[in-house]
Amino acid sequence: DAKTTQPNSMESNEEEPVHLPCNHSTISGTDYIHWYRQLPSQGPEYVIHGLTSNVNNRMASLAIAEDRKSSTLILHRATLRDAAVYYCILRDVRNSGGSNYKLTFGKGTLLTVNP
Amino acid sequence: DSGVTQTPKHLITATGQRVTLRCSPRSGDLSVYWYQQSLDQGLQFLIQYYNGEERAKGNILERFSAQQFPDLHSELNLSSLELGDSALYFCASSEPGLAGSYEQYFGPGTRLTVT
Repeated sequence: DAKTTQPNSMESNEEEPVHLPCNHSTISGTDYIHWYRQLPSQGPEYVIHGLTSNVNNRMASLAIAEDRKSSTLILHRATLRDAAVYYCILRDVRNSGGSNYKLTFGKGTLLTVNP
Repeated sequence: DSGVTQTPKHLITATGQRVTLRCSPRSGDLSVYWYQQSLDQGLQFLIQYYNGEERAKGNILERFSAQQFPDLHSELNLSSLELGDSALYFCASSEPGLAGSYEQYFGPGTRLTVT
């Protein structure tokens, strides 16, 4: 799996937008960009994923650069509950058979939300 | 609640012992993944089963083994336990779907402490 680079930590204030960056300069054309987060004392939780176009869901937005070498997870209004480690992960669709899709986690970004 | 259940929540045992961790995937999910999270190694993929068959192996020690039963629940067996095996063990499941695009749902984890 291609590697990603994220800042170790970021800080934000409650009710303000948060932009979490991820660099993946060696991304291949068949890599999906996934974001997961892990709240304290919980298992990882899926946030969003995309391939080329920007994506929105109820949790967040994913902005993907035109050359796909970077992406940004956007939390529109941070809440205290969004304090977590955020992981940016690439998954190659060419892992064939419909079954070999492990997630390779890096160190992620620890997001602190101040009240 | 992700729909993935893991038992037990906590396990304390001595070095040299053997333990079994259990995971029930979300209804309808065919894939089960096991991950280990320790302070020094982070979140690491161990093994994946798909509809009863082993499909991918990660950094799983020979002392560890797993299986997926006909009802799709999975067990991770850890034997000859060492202090370094103390970690959080997560199980995740995913539904069949487009390659690389579907998400994994994580359970709450089992915290193993080896004394």
